[in-house]
Amino acid sequence: ETGVTQSPTHLIKTRGQQVTLRCSSQSGHNTVSWYQQALGQGPQFIFQYYREEENGRGNFPPRFSGLQFPNYSSELNVNALELDDSALYLCASSWVNEQFFGPGTRLTVL
Amino acid sequence: AQKVTQAQTEISVVEKEDVTLDCVYETRDTTYYLFWYKQPPSGELVFLIRRNSFDEQNEISGRYSWNFQKSTSSFNFTITASQVVDSAVYFCALSEARNTDKLIFGTGTRLQVFP
Repeated sequence: ETGVTQSPTHLIKTRGQQVTLRCSSQSGHNTVSWYQQALGQGPQFIFQYYREEENGRGNFPPRFSGLQFPNYSSELNVNALELDDSALYLCASSWVNEQFFGPGTRLTVL
Repeated sequence: AQKVTQAQTEISVVEKEDVTLDCVYETRDTTYYLFWYKQPPSGELVFLIRRNSFDEQNEISGRYSWNFQKSTSSFNFTITASQVVDSAVYFCALSEARNTDKLIFGTGTRLQVFP
């Protein structure tokens, strides 16, 4: 148990829809990172938030966006879903170089 | 550009065998960090080790050991006397020194340990 929780656990959407995934970080962790893990692949960095500001972004289009709230919880929003967005989405919260991953949200796009 | 290569897609061993998982990395940075994570079927990534590029000492933690060789850009992971509970996908990852939260992962090695 890392203390990082994500919701929902599983989600099924259709192409073109929008989705919001949520992450609740460990108490006091002011940095949260999001990763996309396609089946059979390693996780890929989407972006990171530090104290409510985006602090680095991977090679993902603008339809992937995020938010971090004052309590350091976070959301990942994906607009105009495509079939290739089907993946496990992992969030990780960190404090002073210690990063802890949540169990992930498995998104299926039909 | 940074890159991590895990050439072994899947390894199968019988319990009590030793097994080594290979990891080769590429980076232009002089200071960087290397990591290993375990991902059981539940999906949650479990942190195993972080190593600074300036620290080339090998490390042992129980049945786990890591061999960092800067000359060959490798950071290999050995499990001694494997157990069925070691069955999982193992990922090697790399980060810049200035942001150790932004990880570049390899494609993983699936380890199956049979009784």
